[in-house]
Amino acid sequence: KQEVTQIPAALSVPEGENLVLNCSFTDSAIYNLQWFRQDPGKGLTSLLLIQSSQREQTSGRLNASLDKSSGRSTLYIAASQPGDSATYLCAVRNNYQLIWGAGTKLIIKP
Amino acid sequence: GAGVSQSPSNKVTEKGKDVELRCDPISGHTALYWYRQSLGQGLEFLIYFQGNSAPDKSGLPSDRFSAERTGGSVSTLTIQRTQQEDSAVYLCASSLGVGVDYGYTFGSGTRLTVV
Repeated sequence: KQEVTQIPAALSVPEGENLVLNCSFTDSAIYNLQWFRQDPGKGLTSLLLIQSSQREQTSGRLNASLDKSSGRSTLYIAASQPGDSATYLCAVRNNYQLIWGAGTKLIIKP
Repeated sequence: GAGVSQSPSNKVTEKGKDVELRCDPISGHTALYWYRQSLGQGLEFLIYFQGNSAPDKSGLPSDRFSAERTGGSVSTLTIQRTQQEDSAVYLCASSLGVGVDYGYTFGSGTRLTVV
């Protein structure tokens, strides 16, 4: 059974720092991995989608990597801003279902 | 529409009442999913629709839960005889297809509180 773990559960850093969020999964037979952002009281916003054949994806200040063989993905956020404060969720796709981590709650202090 | 629309955004109901949650997916998206997010827990798959195929209901937690999708577009999730443990945020997502190239677009969710 696929299990997805995100570390740390919470992170608080000063504005301007670069930071890394971690996601690990137990079954490497995934189709893709997706990073989402969730703001309080709102839905999920897709940030990056990495196919199983890909190693990384970049969007602006965000870079996500995928090492399928070791069951790991990282989300790198450069030059963090207070507006980046949110909960970040990773999800792996098995067949058509998404299996989710519990999220990392990120606070960027001005 | 431009995004996935869910209604209502918030619903407070008394224990034992029935509730209906609505999801309007992005036009042209053939796949539609319902997930549940309980407080402090990860997202839980509930049900999946793809085109005219029979839905995958394997994630529905009990027979009090049902869902339908009319005309391959709007979906309604119905919870009968609500219980306090049903309190959660119910999220709907749609996807252009079931291919692995397609990501999911989520709605803002319906926050259900059973009192």
